Amino acid sequence: DSGVTQTPKHLITATGQRVTLRCSPRSGDLSVYWYQQSLDQGLQFLIQYYNGEERAKGNILERFSAQQFPDLHSELNLSSLELGDSALYFCASSVAGKGYTFGSGTRLTVV
Amino acid sequence: AQSVTQLGSHVSVSEGALVLLRCNYSSSVPPYLFWYVQYPNQGLQLLLKYTTGATLVKGINGFEAEFKKSETSFHLTKPSAHMSDAAEYFCAVSNMNTGFQKLVFGTGTRLLVSP
Repeated sequence: DSGVTQTPKHLITATGQRVTLRCSPRSGDLSVYWYQQSLDQGLQFLIQYYNGEERAKGNILERFSAQQFPDLHSELNLSSLELGDSALYFCASSVAGKGYTFGSGTRLTVV
Repeated sequence: AQSVTQLGSHVSVSEGALVLLRCNYSSSVPPYLFWYVQYPNQGLQLLLKYTTGATLVKGINGFEAEFKKSETSFHLTKPSAHMSDAAEYFCAVSNMNTGFQKLVFGTGTRLLVSP
């Protein structure tokens, strides 16, 4: 157990729908990062939050959004889903200078 | 911008043979370098990392990597492969100096270990 918890582990949904992925960081970690892993794009950084504030954005689509709550858990919202959004979505957390810890991911399948 | 190139999408070795997975990076500032392993249907596990100091870094499961600035390389090695090493390996680079720690990953190398 890495200490980073992601739910759900699997999600199957239809095109056009909206889903929410949840991440609880390791205790004490203030930063949360979201990554997408797909066969054609590989591992891509989506977005980072630090102590509730957006800190950096990567290749995140406008249909996607995220937030980090006061208890430091984070949610990634994916809307108007397309077949190409099918991927593994990873969350990672870190504390300054200590490196990343990844969760086990949420596998999203859009049908 | 930072980038990572992993040479070889697949590497096949026999059990007991040397494992060598290649990684070259590009970075305009001193890089932080990482190797992660991903087993099927699992998340990413940190094998080892280089930040500063000693250029030969030892990680878990007998893996090590050497940071060679002149060659912009950070190749991963293990003297003797085990069947349990079969997995996908990702090299990544980061720039901690920016204050946020986005990782840029390579495309991964799948290690196949045969008996």
